[in-house]
Amino acid sequence: QLQLQESGPGLVKPSETLSLTCTVSGGSINSGTSYWDWIRQPPGKRLEWIGTTHYSGSTYYNPSLKSRVTISVDMSKSQFSLKLSSVTAADTAVYYCARHIGGTGNFSWGQGTLATVSS
Amino acid sequence: QTVVTQEPSFSVSPGGTVTLTCGLSSGSVSNSNLPTWYQQTPGQAPRTLIYNTNTRSSGVPDRFSGSILGNKAALTITGAQADDESDYYCVLYMGSGLWVFGGGTKLTVL
Repeated sequence: QLQLQESGPGLVKPSETLSLTCTVSGGSINSGTSYWDWIRQPPGKRLEWIGTTHYSGSTYYNPSLKSRVTISVDMSKSQFSLKLSSVTAADTAVYYCARHIGGTGNFSWGQGTLATVSS
Repeated sequence: QTVVTQEPSFSVSPGGTVTLTCGLSSGSVSNSNLPTWYQQTPGQAPRTLIYNTNTRSSGVPDRFSGSILGNKAALTITGAQADDESDYYCVLYMGSGLWVFGGGTKLTVL
């Protein structure tokens, strides 16, 4: 059974870069049909899709975040990562990594990790 | 920018039926938007209920169903139970790899 586990610092200073990693187990990160996602949820607010990557290197980003986001895959470690630059308090959120099968919205979710932006 | 709309809140009596909807600020929702519904309780990750309009995710009881109603996607809960009290989110595929979540509906069972 696919399991996804987020990891990374829980506290980031304003203007710095938030870096999170998702470790994939129980499934192959280089599956051609799997797409790897980052989604976030600020406290008390709606879910927000951040972006998606595929092992082939294809990436897709939320236009509102595109200038600050990089998502990449490390197949050797069965991990994919999120980097969000120039963070502000508005980036404080629970960050989820997820997987969806191409052509479906059936996301499988990690448990989520809270990242707080504060000095 | 496209906005996905959901009712902010809804209430249903135990045993009753409720239909939540998911629309677009401009245009109609269709099967090509791959409408997907999630259930989320406080402090927990979302759980997929319905994907691709009407396909139930593994382990989801058949009292949850999805459809297109008019120009919106819909999630119907038949025979509501106390533990259905949750937040429900939809997400729509907008093409070119882009997904947009709705604002969520807080469902109360009372």
